[in-house]
Amino acid sequence: DSGVTQTPKHLITATGQRVTLRCSPRSGDLSVYWYQQSLDQGLQFLIQYYNGEERAKGNILERFSAQQFPDLHSELNLSSLELGDSALYFCASSPQAPRYEQYFGPGTRLTVT
Amino acid sequence: ILNVEQSPQSLHVQEGDSTNFTCSFPSSNFYALHWYRWETAKSPEALFVMTLNGDEKKKGRISATLNTKEGYSYLYIKGSQPEDSATYLCALSNSGGYQKVTFGTGTKLQVIP
Repeated sequence: DSGVTQTPKHLITATGQRVTLRCSPRSGDLSVYWYQQSLDQGLQFLIQYYNGEERAKGNILERFSAQQFPDLHSELNLSSLELGDSALYFCASSPQAPRYEQYFGPGTRLTVT
Repeated sequence: ILNVEQSPQSLHVQEGDSTNFTCSFPSSNFYALHWYRWETAKSPEALFVMTLNGDEKKKGRISATLNTKEGYSYLYIKGSQPEDSATYLCALSNSGGYQKVTFGTGTKLQVIP
């Protein structure tokens, strides 16, 4: 158990809908990362927050957004969902970034039908 | 776009054999190199973070080296065991105002008892 929690574990929704994925980092970690793993692709970095501020952005679509709250938990919002958004979404946390180990949560499996 | 390449893509070794794989990356703007171990149906687990040219890290039978000038890192497993079977990922963090994390596609290791 890495100490990072993600909810929900599984999510099934229809195209065009909007969902929110939640991540609670390990106690004391200030940095949160979001990653997407699609069926035919490796891990893709989406976005990173550090102590409430956006720090780095990867291949995140404009339909996706994220934020980190004062209690350091983070949410990833996915809107106007398409079939291709079906993937495993991981959150990871680290004390600082990016020269520290990242601890991954169990992931949220999103299925868009 | 950063190109992080790992080789080989997959590898089968006999129990007790030692093995190694490579992660290649652009040497410019290097900031940190991470190695992860990813078992099927689980989350990636951090093995090492390396930041300095010439760094060598070791954890049990697994070790890694880093050459930032020529842009590669090696991961070694000594005396492979069936429980070492997993996908080994490397990830590069680049420096600069907007740091990103780029993962390689991984080396899938299967240790045959």
